[in-house]
Amino acid sequence: GAGVSQTPSNKVTEKGKYVELRCDPISGHTALYWYRQSLGQGPEFLIYFQGTGAADDSGLPNDRFFAVRPEGSVSTLKIQRTERGDSAVYLCASSLLGGGETQYFGPGTRLLVL
Amino acid sequence: KNEVEQSPQNLTAQEGEFITINCSYSVGISALHWLQQHPGGGIVSLFMLSSGKKKHGRLIATINIQEKHSSLHITASHPRDSAVYICVETSGSRLTFGEGTQLTVNP
Repeated sequence: GAGVSQTPSNKVTEKGKYVELRCDPISGHTALYWYRQSLGQGPEFLIYFQGTGAADDSGLPNDRFFAVRPEGSVSTLKIQRTERGDSAVYLCASSLLGGGETQYFGPGTRLLVL
Repeated sequence: KNEVEQSPQNLTAQEGEFITINCSYSVGISALHWLQQHPGGGIVSLFMLSSGKKKHGRLIATINIQEKHSSLHITASHPRDSAVYICVETSGSRLTFGEGTQLTVNP
């Protein structure tokens, strides 16, 4: 499809495990964003990529969270030693150039840490 | 304290009513977005504003840069408008989200 896709759509894991969440942005979009949305709250910014580099990673909550975008397209959000508090919907968005442009959101990955 | 504040947090309306959702922000912005989040979680970008007013169908968004305030209006509301509406302030690459307004439109 032409939109942002995310896989898996749902992930259940045990506390302490490692998880990877994948985002496929719209083709040609240079900017890619990761957000986290906990139940009953608005999305929370995690990290922003411009091309292959993380232009702003100030939203990552701690060093268990890491994201990469090695070829400037697909991005992977990696969470080590998962905790129950990591349970949330992880949203990815992309935009053509970044800055204040319209962002196009993926459907999200629902992560549940037991 | 969230730098982006929305009001009301919850809003229930009857079909056909005119609806207004307000958003106040505290810092200079490059743009302000209104997003719609459906019950299933999917997010749709409704508007991006840096000044003035935009209209799309029954939706109107306005922004007053001097007062750091934006409003989202829905005319002739319909039950399918029921969703969470989120105001997002962008300053460069940094985004700050409001906590959202849960709108329920009853038939």
